Amino acid sequence: DSGVTQTPKHLITATGQRVTLRCSPRSGDLSVYWYQQSLDQGLQFLIQYYNGEERAKGNILERFSAQQFPDLHSELNLSSLELGDSALYFCASSGNFGQFFGPGTRLTVL
Amino acid sequence: SQQGEEDPQALSIQEGENATMNCSYKTSINNLQWYRQNSGRGLVHLILIRSNEREKHSGRLRVTLDTSKKSSSLLITASRAADTASYFCATVPGTTGANSKLTFGKGITLSVRP
Repeated sequence: DSGVTQTPKHLITATGQRVTLRCSPRSGDLSVYWYQQSLDQGLQFLIQYYNGEERAKGNILERFSAQQFPDLHSELNLSSLELGDSALYFCASSGNFGQFFGPGTRLTVL
Repeated sequence: SQQGEEDPQALSIQEGENATMNCSYKTSINNLQWYRQNSGRGLVHLILIRSNEREKHSGRLRVTLDTSKKSSSLLITASRAADTASYFCATVPGTTGANSKLTFGKGITLSVRP
């Protein structure tokens, strides 16, 4: 158990819909990262927040947005979903000894 | 874009044998981390090695780093069937702090036959 929690574990939705994925970092970690894992793109960095502020952005689509709240939990919002958005979405938090990942949310868009 | 390139892409060994996996990267790094992923599940952090370190050990794992060759290797000794998984190397750029985004390789599929 990494100490990073993510909900929900699975999400099945239809094209055009909007979903919210939630993440709580390990106690004491200020940074939260979001990654997407798909068969064709592999593991891709989406966005990083540090203590409530956006720190870095990767190849995140404009239809996707994220935020980190004062209690340091983070949410990733995916809207106007397409079939190609089906993937595993991971959240991670980092400390002095590395970046630790949550169990992921498997998103299926039908 | 993929920073790390693992080699081989797939490895099949007998239980008890050692498994060696290699990772090469293109640009300078702050640190390199190895992860394990069982089929479709979460990423388990195995080990972090910093750019000023050459070797680290954790249980049956040994990681080396050669910054002059921009490469790292992960050795699993006395492998077990439970080591069957995908292994990824991931790098943090040298131009950023230690707590920055990871860039992953495509992964190595390790199969350990009982």
